[in-house]
Amino acid sequence: DVKVTQSSRYLVKRTGEKVFLECVQDMDHENMFWYRQDPGLGLRLIYFSYDVKMKEKGDIPEGYSVSREKKERFSLILESASTNQTSMYLCASSLGTGNGYTFGSGTRLTVV
Amino acid sequence: GDSVTQMEGPVTLSEEAFLTINCTYTATGYPSLFWYVQYPGEGLQLLLKATKADDKGSNKGFEATYRKETTSFHLEKGSVQVSDSAVYFCALSQGAQKLVFGQGTRLTINP
Repeated sequence: DVKVTQSSRYLVKRTGEKVFLECVQDMDHENMFWYRQDPGLGLRLIYFSYDVKMKEKGDIPEGYSVSREKKERFSLILESASTNQTSMYLCASSLGTGNGYTFGSGTRLTVV
Repeated sequence: GDSVTQMEGPVTLSEEAFLTINCTYTATGYPSLFWYVQYPGEGLQLLLKATKADDKGSNKGFEATYRKETTSFHLEKGSVQVSDSAVYFCALSQGAQKLVFGQGTRLTINP
């Protein structure tokens, strides 16, 4: 089975800190995605990447950046964490259209 | 743009009841359609999918049929169990490979 591993299940950070959320997949998928999930708002796409060193903005990229230096790793960076970035963050990867995504278990980030 | 609309929850049923969660979509072209399930405290898992009109996806007793004429992909199960309690997401993808999700429907099954 494809595995998508997110480095932390729970994270507490202070306002203004730089935060790194790491995601690694083990099945050579080209496509990787970062979503945030909030009650009443569903899943919203932050950034995605179709290849190494390539990135595209999703629907809510403000306050975030990403890095994809290797095919298997896609990092989400909160440049200066704010309380409104408290959320569940979900990473996913996919092989292509029609195959769906494989999700990680999520990182619940709390910014205090 | 493309969009997915799911029936609003929460949905509460008794064990062994019949389940339907409605999903309709708006898309140009011919999207692939998916149902994902999220158990408490976990990420999303692919439950089933269909990639063309009239395809039926099925898994773990759940089924959904891709209906192009009604732009629908309703999720059904004949007899639900307490372990089916979760949040269910309908989604579509096409072209750019991004998934577009519905808002999710929380399902609670009481024994």
